[in-house]
Amino acid sequence: KAGVTQTPRYLIKTRGQQVTLSCSPISGHRSVSWYQQTPGQGLQFLFEYFSETQRNKGNFPGRFSGRQFSNSRSEMNVSTLELGDSALYLCASRIRGLGTGELFFGEGSRLTVL
Amino acid sequence: DQQVKQNSPSLSVQEGRISILNCDYTNSMFDYFLWYKKYPAEGPTFLISISSIKDKNEDGRFTVFLNKSAKHLSLHIVPSQPGDSAVYFCAASGNSGYALNFGKGTSLLVTP
Repeated sequence: KAGVTQTPRYLIKTRGQQVTLSCSPISGHRSVSWYQQTPGQGLQFLFEYFSETQRNKGNFPGRFSGRQFSNSRSEMNVSTLELGDSALYLCASRIRGLGTGELFFGEGSRLTVL
Repeated sequence: DQQVKQNSPSLSVQEGRISILNCDYTNSMFDYFLWYKKYPAEGPTFLISISSIKDKNEDGRFTVFLNKSAKHLSLHIVPSQPGDSAVYFCAASGNSGYALNFGKGTSLLVTP
């Protein structure tokens, strides 16, 4: 079955702009979470959605937001981009919103802020 | 505050030998631990996991050991193969189960 799909794979923005990233989870997976990967910080949790509800949020400013649609697809938005937002943004899905279900990651969206 | 720490940024091992990747955690509420492997330009892929009720889990060439009293886990790869060269992330989750806390990763290079 198809894996987690993220679009776009690469994008370049300038400071002050905003960006929207999209994620389609594996069919049947209702939980979607987002992570930011940077060389210095590794993978950091942004937020997780289950059944269109944000269930948890990491320690990121309010410029980072997300949502989940009824078909489990998710988007995340970053407003007023800063240079430090340059990173690989990874989306992951799992079947349940709770518990120890394994996360399946997409290939990521590489954002460069100039 | 990094709750999961991988103190070795890189590790080089000869093909056929054992690779040991280490991970420490600080949060005693963590009860489930996972290892992910990541190749460049790809997302992380799940490798192996262990619940806090166990101290060892084995899957083929991969074995994870958990020492709860020391808040330490390790991943053993035996024998190591060049295709194992990747970045390995240790991750942990607690009662909430919502988020995985990742370490910063260890880059493993297996040389022929």
